[in-house]
Amino acid sequence: NAGVTQTPKFRVLKTGQSMTLLCAQDMNHEYMYWYRQDPGMGLRLIHYSVGEGTTAKGEVPDGYNVSRLKKQNFLLGLESAAPSQTSVYFCASRVSWIAGNEQFFGPGTRLTVL
Amino acid sequence: EDQVTQSPEALRLQEGESSSLNCSYTVSGLRGLFWYRQDPGKGPEFLFTLYSAGEEKEKERLKATLTKKESFLHITAPKPEDSATYLCAVQESGGGADGLTFGKGTHLIIQP
Repeated sequence: NAGVTQTPKFRVLKTGQSMTLLCAQDMNHEYMYWYRQDPGMGLRLIHYSVGEGTTAKGEVPDGYNVSRLKKQNFLLGLESAAPSQTSVYFCASRVSWIAGNEQFFGPGTRLTVL
Repeated sequence: EDQVTQSPEALRLQEGESSSLNCSYTVSGLRGLFWYRQDPGKGPEFLFTLYSAGEEKEKERLKATLTKKESFLHITAPKPEDSATYLCAVQESGGGADGLTFGKGTHLIIQP
C-alpha cells in the first residue's frame, strides 16, 4: 500500500494563477482532510469530506474549493492564488469507525505564491 | 485562546537524558488526543491515540499519558534518531469540523 500520496510535491505560482492539488489514498478510507501548515502555527483544517460526493468547510476555507468525485481522491483547488496561500499543504485520511480514529497523512505539497 | 498548547517550544537533550513534553488542552468534550512525530520535509507520522484520563500507551522509548487537562509524552533514554517535531492534536466530541486541532509542536533535538 502506498498510503496517502500527494501531487505535486512542490509548486510555484504567480498571484492570480489557479491550480489543483491532488490527494489519493489506497486504504479505502471514508474520511479525507486538507490541512495547511505555516511556520509558528499548528496545522489548520481547510476542508474535509466524510464520503464520496460530500465536502464540508473547516477552520480556514476561504480561497479554496474541494471536490471528492471518487472515494480514493480528494482535490484541493485554488482559483486565484494569493501570497497568503504560501504554505505546506497536507492531506490526511481515516476510516469512519471509532476504533480507527487516527488520521494518516501524506508527504505534503510545498506551495509558494509570488 | 489556543485550544491546544504544547511546551516547551524547543528542547535540546543529550543522548540518554530522559524528559517529558507537555500538551495542555481546553475542549468541552474530548473524543481523542493524538500524538504525531514530524520529520523535516515530511508529513506527520501517527504515534498514539489516548481516549480517557488515566490511559497510557508505550512504543519503544516513548510513553504517552493523559489527564483531564493535559497529556505528556515521556521520552526515556532518547537517541539522536528521536530528534523530530512532536505534535499533539485533539478531536472534540460533537465538533462540527470533525478534524483535528493541533498544537504548534515541540522541536526536540537529541545530541550524541
